[in-house]
Order: sequence, then structure tokens, then C-alpha cells
Amino acid sequence: QVQLVESGGGVVQPGRSLRLSCVTSGFTYSNYGMHWVRQAPGKGLEWVAVIWFDGSNKYYADSVKGRFTISRDNSKNTLYLQMNSLRAEDTALYYCAREKTPKTPTHYFDYWGQGTLVTVSS
Amino acid sequence: DIQMTQFPSTLSASVGDRVTITCRASQSIGSWLAWYQQKPGKAPKLLIYEASNLESDIPSRFSGSGSETELTLTISSLQPDDFATYYCQQYNGYPTFGQGTKLEMK
Repeated sequence: QVQLVESGGGVVQPGRSLRLSCVTSGFTYSNYGMHWVRQAPGKGLEWVAVIWFDGSNKYYADSVKGRFTISRDNSKNTLYLQMNSLRAEDTALYYCAREKTPKTPTHYFDYWGQGTLVTVSS
Repeated sequence: DIQMTQFPSTLSASVGDRVTITCRASQSIGSWLAWYQQKPGKAPKLLIYEASNLESDIPSRFSGSGSETELTLTISSLQPDDFATYYCQQYNGYPTFGQGTKLEMK
């Protein structure tokens, strides 16, 4: 069955960096676009970034552009999010999510991980 | 960016009720809209995509309609398992979500 498992969250000081990982299994990872979506405590969902199935395109929300980098390793079935210059407002549960349609950038999500919590605080 | 305004933010209803949640887009999104259900401590779950297509294994009491700038999610007869928070999400451009609707028991 399809599984997405995030890791790498934790407590970090403002201005520092963190790298999140999302290990996937149960499907042909290299055929699917992947996203990061976050949810601040008690708040709604906010899209963060997308990477095309082949890594050819990457796009970011304005709130993280220039600070976050999405990447993938198709040989390891793993998605990453490098987060630099972290701010208090980046505090959230970070989910990785899979696009429903293979090899076609339709940006809605049929599988989600359980999330990894990032807390930015001094 | 396309803004999604979802209402109501909270909805009180009883088992067996028919309920409707609406999302209004700041510009036309065609039918490029998904609906998700989220329960506390859980990841969102896809219910509907392309405005009206029911995801696999989702009960038929859930339905979606509308297009362009006004789209709705309807639950025809509420069941106890349906009390949760619902989000719309457009994908005509980069994804944006509505603010959510908390469906609570009256």
C-alpha cells in the first residue's frame, strides 16, 4: 500500500536551518509529482512547494520562496525540503503529499503522510 | 494568486441532515477544485476532485458541484463519522486552500 513517512522536524532557533525528508513506498515514486503542505497549530492548510515527477520543475509559495528548496531522489523514493532562514511563522506540521495523476501536473493530492512538526522558537 | 473563500467557517448539524459548504474563488478556476476531510490529529483525506468526481471508496452521500467561481460540497445525509473539518483547494494555478469549515454536532 502507498505510504509516505516524513521525518526531520524539531525545535530550531529563528534563522537556522532544517531539512525534512519524506520516504515513500508502495508506488512508482518517479512517476508522481510531490508537494509539501503545512498546517500551523490550530490553523488551516497552506501549500508550500511542488516538484515535478522528473524533478524538471519546482515552484514555491511566496511565503517561502528564496528560503526553502524542494528536491527529490528518485533512486531513494524520497522527497526533501531544505528550510533555511527559518522564522517563527514557519512553525507548523509539514505534510508531504502525492499528486493523484501520474506524469501529469494536476496539483491535488490523494495520499498524505502523517506530518512532521517544525517549531521555530528561541 | 487565486484566493479561496470558504463558508460557513462553522456549521452545526445533526445526523441525517443535508449540509452544504461553499467555496468562492477570486477568479474562474473552471472545475479545478478538490475537497478534503480532516479529522483531529490526522492528515487530510481526498473526497472529491475536478469539482464533482468522487474519490474511490468515498461514500456517495458526498457530492460536489459548481464551476468557475462558486463550488459546493454537499453531504446528503450526515453520518456520525462525517463530523470533521472540510477544506476546498483550487488547482487551476498553484494550489490554494479555503480556510476550512468545521462541521460540528448540534
